[in-house]
Amino acid sequence: GAVVSQHPSRVICKSGTSVKIECRSLDFQATTMFWYRQFPKQSLMLMATSNEGSKATYEQGVEKDKFLINHASLTLSTLTVTSAHPEDSSFYICSASTTAALGEEKLFFGSGTQLSVL
Amino acid sequence: GENVEQHPSTLSVQEGDSAVIKCTYSDSASNYFPWYKQELGKGPQLIIDIRSNVGEKKDQRIAVTLNKTAKHFSLHITETQPEDSAVYFCAASGGSYIPTFGRGTSLIVHP
Repeated sequence: GAVVSQHPSRVICKSGTSVKIECRSLDFQATTMFWYRQFPKQSLMLMATSNEGSKATYEQGVEKDKFLINHASLTLSTLTVTSAHPEDSSFYICSASTTAALGEEKLFFGSGTQLSVL
Repeated sequence: GENVEQHPSTLSVQEGDSAVIKCTYSDSASNYFPWYKQELGKGPQLIIDIRSNVGEKKDQRIAVTLNKTAKHFSLHITETQPEDSAVYFCAASGGSYIPTFGRGTSLIVHP
């Protein structure tokens, strides 16, 4: 399957600082990338959908000024958690959509980033 | 919107037994049903998927079945091994291709 690389895998930061998480599609061009948040023992919660070169579409209840998403190229999307607070501590996962053979899309996930805000 | 129900939430089996996880969905327009395996501290990994023009798909010890009339699909793992222990998520998506995920099943395979 396609490879999606996500960095860093773990980050600890002080309250009030900003943290940037990178998501790269290594062997394909991603038409669309998604950012998810996951709490312990829970399912994936979609935060936003981003298409290369356009503004991200945020899900209801997700603050776009707090979670800045940039999708500057077909292989890179970044999520910046601005002015992080302890309640932002969570596991963040990106995913990228690819059009495989016969035009069928599949979704591949990065390895996730565990954010801990002190 | 789409609603995906997944059962059971926890499944405990002995090594070598089979495991079955079931999902139902609500939107008849959904036509793509992937299954993901997530190990602790890692991102979900696509293990198998099925589209609405197929009723069953198999890949070694893993198989997925789809019943569009009843709007349910299932994951079957045969000859389970300890390394199969993980959380499994089903998902359903339609034309927008934004998948809706089930709540997950924690599979525990005892040696």
